[in-house]
Amino acid sequence: DGGITQSPKYLFRKEGQNVTLSCEQNLNHDAMYWYRQDPGQGLRLIYYSQIVNDFQKGDIAEGYSVSREKKESFPLTVTSAQKNPTAFYLCASSTPRTGWGETQYFGPGTRLLVL
Amino acid sequence: ILNVEQSPQSLHVQEGDSTNFTCSFPSSNFYALHWYRWETAKSPEALFVMTLNGDEKKKGRISATLNTKEGYSYLYIKGSQPEDSATYLCALWEAGNMLTFGGGTRLMVKP
Repeated sequence: DGGITQSPKYLFRKEGQNVTLSCEQNLNHDAMYWYRQDPGQGLRLIYYSQIVNDFQKGDIAEGYSVSREKKESFPLTVTSAQKNPTAFYLCASSTPRTGWGETQYFGPGTRLLVL
Repeated sequence: ILNVEQSPQSLHVQEGDSTNFTCSFPSSNFYALHWYRWETAKSPEALFVMTLNGDEKKKGRISATLNTKEGYSYLYIKGSQPEDSATYLCALWEAGNMLTFGGGTRLMVKP
């Protein structure tokens, strides 16, 4: 079955620790995205990538880093510089932009909690 | 950062009621508006992508309209069912490969 997988489902971070959230897709999509959701708020874009080895900052990139070494994978690292990392993180992918935004397909999400 | 607003934030209706909610967005530089449904413990799923002023799309009992000149879209659900309970998200596509999401409308349908 084609789809997007995210792991782990729950992740605990200690103060000062970097943690990496995994996102893998087998939909052959070029574009991938990371969003963050806080209670009572919509999804906010952290980073996105349109093609392998290229990525762009979204609205709230500070304290996060990404890599895109393979088409299928777009891991997100939450660094110690992110002072408020507790949130729900969603990964998404889409086919190349046609000019008006292709439908995005979402993974099941990872909930990050700070100990 | 674009301001995409959804109202109401939450909505409780009885099974069988029809309902609608609103997504407002800046009307300049419009490219497309997306609607997604997000059920609890599941991933958001696309409902519609709308691009033209006056567009109307339908999927079963759910339909949406678009007014790009005044900057709003309505989502309608006819004869709500408990399985329609979800958060409905709208998102504006602007130049630059980014979707800007609204805060969502949480719909709860009571049997």
